[in-house]
Amino acid sequence: QSALTQPRSVSGSPGQSVTISCIGTSSDVGGYNYVSWYQHHPGKAPKLLIFDVNERPSGIPDRFSGSKSGNTASLTISGLQPEDEADYYCCSYAGSHTRVFGAGTKVTVL
Amino acid sequence: EVQLVESGGGLVQPGGSLRLSCAASGFTLSAYNMEWVRQAPGKGLEWVSYSGGTSGTIIYADSVKGRFIMSRDTAKNLVFLQMNSLRDEDTAIYYCARGRYTFYFDYWGQGTLVTVSS
Repeated sequence: QSALTQPRSVSGSPGQSVTISCIGTSSDVGGYNYVSWYQHHPGKAPKLLIFDVNERPSGIPDRFSGSKSGNTASLTISGLQPEDEADYYCCSYAGSHTRVFGAGTKVTVL
Repeated sequence: EVQLVESGGGLVQPGGSLRLSCAASGFTLSAYNMEWVRQAPGKGLEWVSYSGGTSGTIIYADSVKGRFIMSRDTAKNLVFLQMNSLRDEDTAIYYCARGRYTFYFDYWGQGTLVTVSS
């Protein structure tokens, strides 16, 4: 399984919106509505932001939203805040209980 | 409160073995899937293994199949990852995570570092 393709980095000013893409194949992202997104501050535990493409767990602000079209999933962060500076990973089900992650995107708040 | 605490990491020579533990609390271990995910230095996250809570099914990534063995002790609320025939490329922080039925991870531990080096 090859890693999903994410941009290495994205940046934005406070209050702006940024979108992170996650490109897979019909065997993973395109084949299932089981895409999730995680925020990871180095040295800390990863945190679930989005599951099932566009569902937010309780406690996650609605500034974070997910979507999918074909083999590409996206995470949008609206109203960017300084604490949003972190690494972000997409993850997709790839059949037979296996998962594949993206290579990660570093979000910088300017 | 759900908590996952990994332990057992350390320095091991290539070809050696190590057993990681994950202490789970705040939920009934037998009712949930449990998984291991790792992150090599400077790299992204990589899914390693899955253990079905009710099915007993265990699945491994191709990169560790035949070398790693995942198990659990529900009486002690512990999840294990026995790592054998370790290679340099197994060097990583290993995270224990609780899995949900639509294949996402809702809680993660802080991770334990495994370094494979001579």
